[in-house]
Amino acid sequence: DGGITQSPKYLFRKEGQNVTLSCEQNLNHDAMYWYRQDPGQGLRLIYYSQIVNDFQKGDIAEGYSVSREKKESFPLTVTSAQKNPTAFYLCASSARAGQGALEQYFGPGTRLTVT
Amino acid sequence: AQTVTQSQPEMSVQEAETVTLSCTYDTSESDYYLFWYKQPPSRQMILVIRQEAYKQQNATENRFSVNFQKAAKSFSLKISDSQLGDAAMYFCASTAWGPGTYKYIFGTGTRLKVLA
Repeated sequence: DGGITQSPKYLFRKEGQNVTLSCEQNLNHDAMYWYRQDPGQGLRLIYYSQIVNDFQKGDIAEGYSVSREKKESFPLTVTSAQKNPTAFYLCASSARAGQGALEQYFGPGTRLTVT
Repeated sequence: AQTVTQSQPEMSVQEAETVTLSCTYDTSESDYYLFWYKQPPSRQMILVIRQEAYKQQNATENRFSVNFQKAAKSFSLKISDSQLGDAAMYFCASTAWGPGTYKYIFGTGTRLKVLA
């Protein structure tokens, strides 16, 4: 079955530690996205990538980093510079603009708690 | 900046009744796409319905339909014959594409409660 996987579902870290969230898709999508979701707020875009080896900052990129070495994978690192890292993180993918159905497909999310 | 606004933080509907969720958006693009996503308690985002802006006909998916008013930049979701399983957060979203930019913008969501 095609889809997006995120692991782990729950992640706990101590303040000051970097942590990497995994996102893998087998939908053959070119574009991948990372969102942060906080209570009472919608989805806020952290980073996105339209193609391998290229990515762009979203609206709240400070304190986060990404890589896109493979089409299937788009890991997100939450660094110690992120002031409020505790949140629910969603990964999504879509076909590239002009190349098919344009809705985003989402992974199940990772709940990160930093204490 | 492109924006998507959902002015109803919470709505309630009686089972089997009809409810309409509101969404307004602002875009300078002539071609764009609009979406409604559902997020149940599991937090898995699920696409409910999609509308291409160049299509005048309102999209319909079973009990879900939209009222797309392009001039007013309004995109409301109507749920008919509401079921207990429809209880969820609903997010309105729009493509936000520009030169070298391919993003999606989401509203803050509407929590829908379905009363038995």
